[in-house]
Amino acid sequence: DAEITQSPRHKITETGRQVTLACHQTWNHNNMFWYRQDLGHGLRLIHYSYGVQDTNKGEVSDGYSVSRSNTEDLPLTLESAASSQTSVYFCASSESRDGNTEAFFGQGTRLTVV
Amino acid sequence: GESVGLHLPTLSVQEGDNSIINCAYSNSASDYFIWYKQESGKGPQFIIDIRSNMDKRQGQRVTVLLNKTVKHLSLQIAATQPGDSAVYFCAENIRVTGTASKLTFGTGTRLQVTL
Repeated sequence: DAEITQSPRHKITETGRQVTLACHQTWNHNNMFWYRQDLGHGLRLIHYSYGVQDTNKGEVSDGYSVSRSNTEDLPLTLESAASSQTSVYFCASSESRDGNTEAFFGQGTRLTVV
Repeated sequence: GESVGLHLPTLSVQEGDNSIINCAYSNSASDYFIWYKQESGKGPQFIIDIRSNMDKRQGQRVTVLLNKTVKHLSLQIAATQPGDSAVYFCAENIRVTGTASKLTFGTGTRLQVTL
């Protein structure tokens, strides 16, 4: 069955370190997204991609970067981790075809920056 | 700016009663709306969707209503069960071009089902 997976599920890192969160989907979706979820803020869009070699900034992109070298993967990198980046991160993929959109989420990565 | 928001942050409902969760959106260009359910420690799960050219869609125990005139969306859950306790998000999909689209989420409403 097609799926979307994130790794790791939990990560603790130190301030200033570079961290990469992985997202892999087998839906063959062109659209992929990274969100962070904090209490009181819902899901906020960090970066997104509409296809290979395409990346776009979301509403809270500062301190984050993504790359899209193939359809299946959209890794999220924190260049220099800060305590304000402690959050739960969700990856999603979607496709719009024939007027319908299907969108699926990964299980999330809980990142703690100490 | 574009935004999707919810009227009630927490909703408490007795088991067996119907639940109604509301959502307001501001982008008239949104072509598709989705309700997600998120249980503790899990990612959002798709519940039901509705296209912008529809005003009502029914699923199993759930109904979504769309009022484009006032940019309002609601999720109705019939005969609410303890397993329905979760946070519910509405999301709007904005088509950019072709298959490219972006999902924007509201803050979420926590549904608490009491026995």
